[in-house]
Amino acid sequence: ETGVTQSPTHLIKTRGQQVTLRCSSQSGHNTVSWYQQALGQGPQFIFQYYREEENGRGNFPPRFSGLQFPNYSSELNVNALELDDSALYLCASSPITSRFTEAFFGQGTRLTVV
Amino acid sequence: GESVGLHLPTLSVQEGDNSIINCAYSNSASDYFIWYKQESGKGPQFIIDIRSNMDKRQGQRVTVLLNKTVKHLSLQIAATQPGDSAVYFCAESLSGYSTLTFGKGTMLLVSP
Repeated sequence: ETGVTQSPTHLIKTRGQQVTLRCSSQSGHNTVSWYQQALGQGPQFIFQYYREEENGRGNFPPRFSGLQFPNYSSELNVNALELDDSALYLCASSPITSRFTEAFFGQGTRLTVV
Repeated sequence: GESVGLHLPTLSVQEGDNSIINCAYSNSASDYFIWYKQESGKGPQFIIDIRSNMDKRQGQRVTVLLNKTVKHLSLQIAATQPGDSAVYFCAESLSGYSTLTFGKGTMLLVSP
């Protein structure tokens, strides 16, 4: 186990709804990155949070937003859900002073939009 | 568990064989290249990385080769075991601290 916990593990939402996914980072890790992994594809970077601020963003629309809390846990929010948002959402935590080799991924949240 | 392997290239080997998984990367400016293993129902797990100033790096039972001329990366797994069955992704990064760009992945199936 990596120590990175995501919740929920699965959920089903209707197109147009909003969803919030949660990630508890590993103890001592202050950076959280979120990735979207469509079925049969590699993960795609959504954004990264460091010390409660967004610290880089991939090619995702503004309806994908996030938060990081003082305890370094994080949320990913997606508004106006579309069918193509169906995917496995992964978070990874790492200490900022270390390379990504120190990053640990959670098991992911499987989101299905119907 | 969740399947991440639908429609992926698949490599099937027998237990004890050596496996070679290949990857073509896209950005000639990338400085780090990494291999991840993803088992069903789990997030990616770091295997080994290599920096662009190296051609080869060895770990425990794994070797990564980098050919910058043709932008090609390979992962060699020695004495493959059933527990090695998973989807393997290569990823690239501009630096050790920048975000990762993942490739599409290869499913490795190891038969006893």
